[in-house]
Order: sequence, then structure tokens, then C-alpha cells
Amino acid sequence: QAVVTQEPSLTVSPGGTVTLTCGSSTGVVTSGHYPYWFQQKPGQAPRTLIYDTSTKHSWTPARFSGSLLGGKAALTLSGAQPEDEADYYCLLYYTGVGVFGGGTKLTVL
Amino acid sequence: EVQLVESGGGLVQPGGSLRLSCAASGSIFSSYWMHWVRQAPGKGLVWVSRINGDGSHTNYADSMKGRFTISRDNAKNTLYLQMNGLRAEDAAVYYCVEGLYFDRWGQGALVTVSS
Repeated sequence: QAVVTQEPSLTVSPGGTVTLTCGSSTGVVTSGHYPYWFQQKPGQAPRTLIYDTSTKHSWTPARFSGSLLGGKAALTLSGAQPEDEADYYCLLYYTGVGVFGGGTKLTVL
Repeated sequence: EVQLVESGGGLVQPGGSLRLSCAASGSIFSSYWMHWVRQAPGKGLVWVSRINGDGSHTNYADSMKGRFTISRDNAKNTLYLQMNGLRAEDAAVYYCVEGLYFDRWGQGALVTVSS
């Protein structure tokens, strides 16, 4: 099974911009992996922010955006808010089988 | 409001079996793909399985294939996960998730595997 990699932790200043990435052990991440991004806060179930690389849910704040960048999927947060401090997970599909990355702990400090 | 309520979790011995259920309300259940996602305490998310709206198509993570079976009863608006041959590493909170795009999550059911 493929391995999906994410930065273990990142820190961003309030109002700043940060990019989280999601790589694949099989090579370049493409739109065919249908990249997803999830946010999980302590004690809560996750919620989906981005699907199909860059499509937002109705509840996704405009400051979050998804893209493909340098062979990886990317989640960019522009104008970080204290409430964005959370764990972020990406998910890639490999012919119908989903694989989560290990998650990125984002600190807003 | 859409609600997903998991049940059937608990303590099971290694090698044992357990069936999780997820009761859905407030949505047209049969229209949606459904997933199971698990999370061991303090660990990351693991995708387990998914099933399409009429139950004709399923996918499984490699480590669960052959041991876990996902199914659904659209007449009862209920999703199931039959888990056999449970191992210590299967211990986790199991989330039921509705929608191809993981739109709605339940609060999870805790599975503990221990002798």
C-alpha cells in the first residue's frame, strides 16, 4: 500500500501564510488521486475542508485553498487565525482505496 | 439535521469479532457513498473502507481486506462494518462518514482489543 507523507508539524504567525503538503510514495500526486484535506481539533471529529484537489465545502473558510504544487497536493492557509490551530490530514485515492497521510499539527503562534 | 450514530463498539479479545452499526437520519441515505475511518488514541486517521449507494461497490484498505466487511441496509438507513480476526492494532475509534466527499461524520464508536 502506498505511503502518504505530510510535515509532522508547522507553525504560522497570526495573519500569516503557511502551506501544508501531501506527497505520495508512488511518485507525483495528480488530480487522479482526488486529494482531500481534513481539519481535526482536539476532542472533535474531523471535518472536510477540500476535496478533488481544490474544491471547498460550503463551510470551508475562504482563507483555505487547495492545489497541486511541486508534485504534491498542497493546502494553503492565508491569513491564519487562532482557531485554525488543529491537526490537518490529507487523503489520496489509489484506484478506489484511500490512504491518509500521518497528519500535520499546525500551531498558530 | 443529518445525524450519524455509531454503535456496537466495545471490548473484544484478540481474534474475536465485532459488528459496528451506523444509523443515519436526516438524509437520503441510499444516495450516498459511506465510509469507515478509524483513529487509534492519540494517533492519525486511517481510511478503512467505503461502499456506494446501492451497495454494489466496495473498497478496503489493504490491511483490512479479507477481515473486514462493509455493508448497508438502505431500508433501515444503516451502515455496517463486520470485523473479524481482530488484532491489538485494530483498537481505535471508528467513525462512520457520509458522502463521497466525507461530508458528515459521526462521533465514533470505540473498539478495544485486549485479552
